[in-house]
Amino acid sequence: RKEVEQDPGPFNVPEGATVAFNCTYSNSASQSFFWYRQDCRKEPKLLMSVYSSGNEDGRFTAQLNRASQYISLLIRDSKLSDSATYLCVVSNYGGSQGNLIFGKGTKLSVKP
Amino acid sequence: DGGITQSPKYLFRKEGQNVTLSCEQNLNHDAMYWYRQDPGQGLRLIYYSQIVNDFQKGDIAEGYSVSREKKESFPLTVTSAQKNPTAFYLCASSDRDYGYTFGSGTRLTVV
Repeated sequence: RKEVEQDPGPFNVPEGATVAFNCTYSNSASQSFFWYRQDCRKEPKLLMSVYSSGNEDGRFTAQLNRASQYISLLIRDSKLSDSATYLCVVSNYGGSQGNLIFGKGTKLSVKP
Repeated sequence: DGGITQSPKYLFRKEGQNVTLSCEQNLNHDAMYWYRQDPGQGLRLIYYSQIVNDFQKGDIAEGYSVSREKKESFPLTVTSAQKNPTAFYLCASSDRDYGYTFGSGTRLTVV
């Protein structure tokens, strides 16, 4: 079983749509969880950390279910500029130290 | 501005040649990392360093070497032993308080 698994997509949605991405991880001892965004041929950039209580940043909401080892990202009111690949990332260490384990990413394409 | 600088942006290597990718950071981060990304794939860890003069192998270290003589610098050498080096290489650094920062990457192609 891969350490971090994501549906590769692509998810093709119209502007204004709500879209949800899911991710599962295999190591129950994982400590930290993140969503990164990667534009074509660019470096990944941190979108948001994911906390056990769930957290929201504007149109983006992240949820973590430790029991099911499952992470989600919800994007509301999709914009054309949201088109990118979204990487689910897990660390087996707390905080921001230690190695990151990346999923292969889910590609989102938002159409006019 | 603080950040990570990777150079060159594009690099072409002949068969059997060693090449070195540069990674410099002025963020005063202790930890630095090298990842490799192939098309349609996630990032895979090559080497990492938590402190100067110390580094550890990641998941795919074979055919690569690194050094960490200065806190600011973590160069990666792709040796001739790496049989499939064509990929996008990303350097990152991290700090407990401010998280991970990635460089803009180097695209290496074997010609």
